[in-house]
Amino acid sequence: NAGVTQTPKFQVLKTGQSMTLQCAQDMNHNSMYWYRQDPGMGLRLIYYSASEGTTDKGEVPNGYNVSRLNKREFSLRLESAAPSQTSVYFCASSESTSGRVRETQYFGPGTRLLVL
Amino acid sequence: AQSVTQLDSQVPVFEEAPVELRCNYSSSVSVYLFWYVQYPNQGLQLLLKYLSGSTLVKGINGFEAEFNKSQTSFHLRKPSVHISDTAEYFCAVRGENAGGTSYGKLTFGQGTILTVHP
Repeated sequence: NAGVTQTPKFQVLKTGQSMTLQCAQDMNHNSMYWYRQDPGMGLRLIYYSASEGTTDKGEVPNGYNVSRLNKREFSLRLESAAPSQTSVYFCASSESTSGRVRETQYFGPGTRLLVL
Repeated sequence: AQSVTQLDSQVPVFEEAPVELRCNYSSSVSVYLFWYVQYPNQGLQLLLKYLSGSTLVKGINGFEAEFNKSQTSFHLRKPSVHISDTAEYFCAVRGENAGGTSYGKLTFGQGTILTVHP
């Protein structure tokens, strides 16, 4: 049981390049999330997927797109990377049964992205 | 809307001393409160959570937190810290409306870096 896994662990991009961050969970969770972490700002929600087949914008969605490929996988795409997207990206998942919000979110190890 | 404020960005402390990391929240609905820990170059790990019931919540690694509704606080405490507790700690809140069916997003505080010195 690996929990939440993310690839790659590190990435360096040039401005304007594109890339996809991958996330997978093996806990049979319904909900998945993408956050970015910047110094002094905590974690901010980029996009989330309450269940397979649905995605919604979070607090900072501009410049990103997501795909909920199936129940296990939730990817984050940067179409044209900008230096402002230099950050650490975390994927998380939670059980989220019946719309209740008491469940714990479990986090992956993160992807460190540098955009030059 | 909900928000979380962690009152200290950095807390230095000596080994075996007690520590308190402060967290205040604001929300117009019922809240569920969490503390996460992030060790260097790792993801976030849940320390403890308050959902309902007893306002004193015990978590892993000897940490505990007390939910104070009147002061809208959820401070994290440990009576005696260890070098291995050096990490960044995040307080987070999720809200739920009276009907219990809204999708509450997790809102994080800015983080507190705890540094334990020998």
